[in-house]
Amino acid sequence: SQELEQSPQSLIVQEGKNLTINCTSSKTLYGLYWYKQKYGEGLIFLMMLQKGGEEKSHEKITAKLDEKKQQSSLHITASQPSHAGIYLCGADMGRGAQKLVFGQGTRLTINP
Amino acid sequence: DAGITQSPRYKITETGRQVTLMCHQTWSHSYMFWYRQDLGHGLRLIYYSAAADITDKGEVPDGYVVSRSKTENFPLTLESATRSQTSVYFCASRDGRGRGRDTEAFFGQGTRLTVV
Repeated sequence: SQELEQSPQSLIVQEGKNLTINCTSSKTLYGLYWYKQKYGEGLIFLMMLQKGGEEKSHEKITAKLDEKKQQSSLHITASQPSHAGIYLCGADMGRGAQKLVFGQGTRLTINP
Repeated sequence: DAGITQSPRYKITETGRQVTLMCHQTWSHSYMFWYRQDLGHGLRLIYYSAAADITDKGEVPDGYVVSRSKTENFPLTLESATRSQTSVYFCASRDGRGRGRDTEAFFGQGTRLTVV
């Protein structure tokens, strides 16, 4: 089993709808990173969260890290076809460990 | 060119052969990583390195060997390739220098390896 669990693994939404992807760990996360991957391509960095309760937004994407620093969510408002792809959460497992691990990924499809 | 580059982009090899995947970064980042990406598993960490001559196992190290004689290079070798090692391999680097400083990792474009 992986140290980071993402849900759902696959998501199909109608264009214009909101959606949420979750990332959970049983351990404290010392740095939480969200990436997006277009099919067959490399990973693009979206956001980094470090403090409990932290929230960041960029355009229509908002990421949050809970107070206990064990769960993060990625929320997309009014989804567009350009949001389609694979979303991955990554985290530093252990303070200063610099061992960066990832969840299984969420494959997002946007239907017109 | 600045950035992180992987070579080759595509590779087909036979079972039992040794194959090396190359990764080169131009930022002098301290940390480098190798991941494999398979359907349903996301990215799984194979090995990582905190600096030249310092490497450590990740989640799935068996069957792989790494070295880091220079900061900018982090080659991954499959000593005797197996079909189960057919995957897309990603290399990444990050600047972990500085007390308590966490930074995002930058990824290469990936190497698609097929073992037949």
